[in-house]
Amino acid sequence: DAGVTQSPTHLIKTRGQQVTLRCSPKSGHDTVSWYQQALGQGPQFIFQYYEEEERQRGNFPDRFSGHQFPNYSSELNVNALLLGDSALYLCASSLPGGDGYTFGSGTRLTVV
Amino acid sequence: QKEVEQDPGPLSVPEGAIVSLNCTYSNSAFQYFMWYRQYSRKGPELLMYTYSSGNKEDGRFTAQVDKSSKYISLFIRDSQPSDSATYLCAIRRQGGSEKLVFGKGTKLTVNP
Repeated sequence: DAGVTQSPTHLIKTRGQQVTLRCSPKSGHDTVSWYQQALGQGPQFIFQYYEEEERQRGNFPDRFSGHQFPNYSSELNVNALLLGDSALYLCASSLPGGDGYTFGSGTRLTVV
Repeated sequence: QKEVEQDPGPLSVPEGAIVSLNCTYSNSAFQYFMWYRQYSRKGPELLMYTYSSGNKEDGRFTAQVDKSSKYISLFIRDSQPSDSATYLCAIRRQGGSEKLVFGKGTKLTVNP
């Protein structure tokens, strides 16, 4: 049974560019959350999607946006990239009434 | 004041030692407490989950919660080199898919 799958694993972008990261949740999970983990820090909550709608949002600017598709997979989009956006981006899936999150291995984004 | 504080270490111990990892949190509204283990270049993996004060044991791992002091701990008995990883505490206000608030993580190295 596949866990959470994220793509790509690594990405290098130039400041000002736009990036799209992708996530396929664990089989049976319908809720997807995105977290940003800077080097040496704990993950920070970006937003959560359920039933194709953003349900919760953390303290991130509007440059960060997302989408959830009918098959529960999700995308994270970041516009106008800044050097400070360099981080590991983690996707976590869960059931709406469940207590456990399953995390993917993340996408490491480097902005140069 | 940060919502959750965790000493980032690093912590280095000999194989077989008892390891104690700790976090404090600031808001009594947090009711659910988790410990995640994160290996290098991987996503966090749930180790322990609890929502009540007291101890919860799972093999070599014991999670301890003191809500009156807003203090949570993870103890690892008979530590092994394979336990070398970063340990993250995570808290949340409600059950279900409520967002997680993470500590910075403590990097642990168990030396053979």
